[in-house]
Amino acid sequence: ETGVTQSPTHLIKTRGQQVTLRCSSQSGHNTVSWYQQALGQGPQFIFQYYREEENGRGNFPPRFSGLQFPNYSSELNVNALELDDSALYLCASSLGGGPYEQYFGPGTRLTVT
Amino acid sequence: TQLLEQSPQFLSIQEGENLTVYCNSSSVFSSLQWYRQEPGEGPVLLVTVVTGGEVKKLKRLTFQFGDARKDSSLHITAAQPGDTGLYLCAGPVQAGTALIFGKGTTLSVSS
Repeated sequence: ETGVTQSPTHLIKTRGQQVTLRCSSQSGHNTVSWYQQALGQGPQFIFQYYREEENGRGNFPPRFSGLQFPNYSSELNVNALELDDSALYLCASSLGGGPYEQYFGPGTRLTVT
Repeated sequence: TQLLEQSPQFLSIQEGENLTVYCNSSSVFSSLQWYRQEPGEGPVLLVTVVTGGEVKKLKRLTFQFGDARKDSSLHITAAQPGDTGLYLCAGPVQAGTALIFGKGTTLSVSS
């Protein structure tokens, strides 16, 4: 059984740039959720994709967008990066759309300068 | 707005000590999940509690869900350095797909 993988591990971007983060879900899982974890905080829900459709969204602006592919892997895109976007971005996979038990990847550390 | 508050925020203890961390809310949750996160890693699911009053044990870790399903606790017996990490509780948003997380308790166990 393959676990959740994310790429890249670390990324440094400049304010105003765009970034794409990638996630491969655990085998057999059809749902991917993305979270932002700022330093010293718990993860905050960005959105969830279930069967290639957005299946719920947290309190994040539209410049945060995503995709899910037929193999259930997913991308998180962030446009017009701001300094406050610096955080650990976590992808989690699960089975069945909803707030079920999440299996997290190691995260991508994004630094915006 | 549903919130999960965790306490204490930080805990530093010696190997062999017992400890309890708490996860509280003013809202009722259908279930609560506990995760442990180590530096540079994503959270790892420890347990899900579903029924009010439920107690689950995972080796030296005991999880309890409050009778009213508004709170939960994690008790660790004879803590070991390998227990060091950030302990997070999380619950499903009512009528939604999201999980909300508390800010976590950072545990440090020294030998």
